[in-house]
Amino acid sequence: DTAVSQTPKYLVTQMGNDKSIKCEQNLGHDTMYWYKQDSKKFLKIMFSYNNKELIINETVPNRFSPKSPDKAHLNLHINSLELGDSAVYFCASSQGVWGQRTYEQYFGPGTRLTVT
Amino acid sequence: EDKVVQSPLSLVVHEGDTVTLNCSYEVTNFRSLLWYKQEKKAPTFLFMLTSSGIEKKSGRLSSILDKKELFSILNITATQTGDSAVYLCAAHNTGTASKLTFGTGTRLQVTL
Repeated sequence: DTAVSQTPKYLVTQMGNDKSIKCEQNLGHDTMYWYKQDSKKFLKIMFSYNNKELIINETVPNRFSPKSPDKAHLNLHINSLELGDSAVYFCASSQGVWGQRTYEQYFGPGTRLTVT
Repeated sequence: EDKVVQSPLSLVVHEGDTVTLNCSYEVTNFRSLLWYKQEKKAPTFLFMLTSSGIEKKSGRLSSILDKKELFSILNITATQTGDSAVYLCAAHNTGTASKLTFGTGTRLQVTL
């Protein structure tokens, strides 16, 4: 009964390639997120979607393109991968509209991306 | 720019000790502060604090928020090896750019 799932768990690829990470949540939440966690464990928001609409895009290079086919899915596509993209990418979800009220975010298991 | 700072960066204690982890924040339109525990994989939620001075408690863990001084603490009493993890705090701001801003975390290691 995984609440937030991501695939793949590990991704090793070469510079210049294009790759995608998929995320699904079965919690019925309205809002989904992508975070990047670097080697020092610093977790930084990349994107936020509410009901398939982009809410937050935090100065992420346009090589990163999120896509939300429905409110239960938020995929991350990365073009022309660079060494600096190596990190753990976490998907998360929360109920409700993320604005005036604070909602607990539930995180997926993460995808460790290594670019060689 | 919104900022969340945690201290110490890392901490090694013996089982049974009590630890206090600190989190200070500078966030525009602050709404709430959240604590997460991250072991090997995903961060898992511990507490959400919205009001000053009200302690939240869960077993040996407790947390409190001071909105005047802009900080929060997480206390763990009678630590166990299973408490070893990275503890993350995050500040939520309201408004059109509402998001969680995370601190860099405190790595806690509890030894026998």
